[in-house]
Amino acid sequence: ETGVTQSPTHLIKTRGQQVTLRCSSQSGHNTVSWYQQALGQGPQFIFQYYREEENGRGNFPPRFSGLQFPNYSSELNVNALELDDSALYLCASSFWTGRVYNEQFFGPGTRLTVL
Amino acid sequence: AQSVTQLDSQVPVFEEAPVELRCNYSSSVSVYLFWYVQYPNQGLQLLLKYLSGSTLVKGINGFEAEFNKSQTSFHLRKPSVHISDTAEYFCAVSDSPGSNYKLTFGKGTLLTVNP
Repeated sequence: ETGVTQSPTHLIKTRGQQVTLRCSSQSGHNTVSWYQQALGQGPQFIFQYYREEENGRGNFPPRFSGLQFPNYSSELNVNALELDDSALYLCASSFWTGRVYNEQFFGPGTRLTVL
Repeated sequence: AQSVTQLDSQVPVFEEAPVELRCNYSSSVSVYLFWYVQYPNQGLQLLLKYLSGSTLVKGINGFEAEFNKSQTSFHLRKPSVHISDTAEYFCAVSDSPGSNYKLTFGKGTLLTVNP
């Protein structure tokens, strides 16, 4: 069973640019969540996708957007990058039935540096 | 809004000593609590969770935690630590299964186990 994978591992961008981060969910999972982890901080919830629809959003501006594809892989897009967007971006996938808890599995993250 | 406070940013201990990592959360009608571990350059791994039932929960690698509703705490303990337990530990809370357990994390506690 393949775990959650993310690409790229590291990325360097300049302020004002746009970036796309990718996540491949664990096989059979229908839900993906994205988190931003700034240096020395805990992860912060960005948004979640369930069956290709956004299913909740944290306190992040609209320049953070996402997609979930029919194969349940996912993208996080960030427009107009700011220096404070420098962080580790984590995705987590799970199989959600709406009733029973199923563990969320985290990927290793993408380290984004904005110069 | 939920919040999580991890009272210690760093905890140094000697190998084979007991350890307690403290976590307090803001109260909600229903609360679900988690501890995750993050090793360097890796994603998050679930150590244990409290969803309901017994307030003492046991997790992987010999860790356990106790849910205390009156003190709004969920402290993590291990009776004897190993060098390999050196990592960042995050406490997290979720408000309901209907949100597919969207997680609010604390800032983390760096556990350093010295020989």
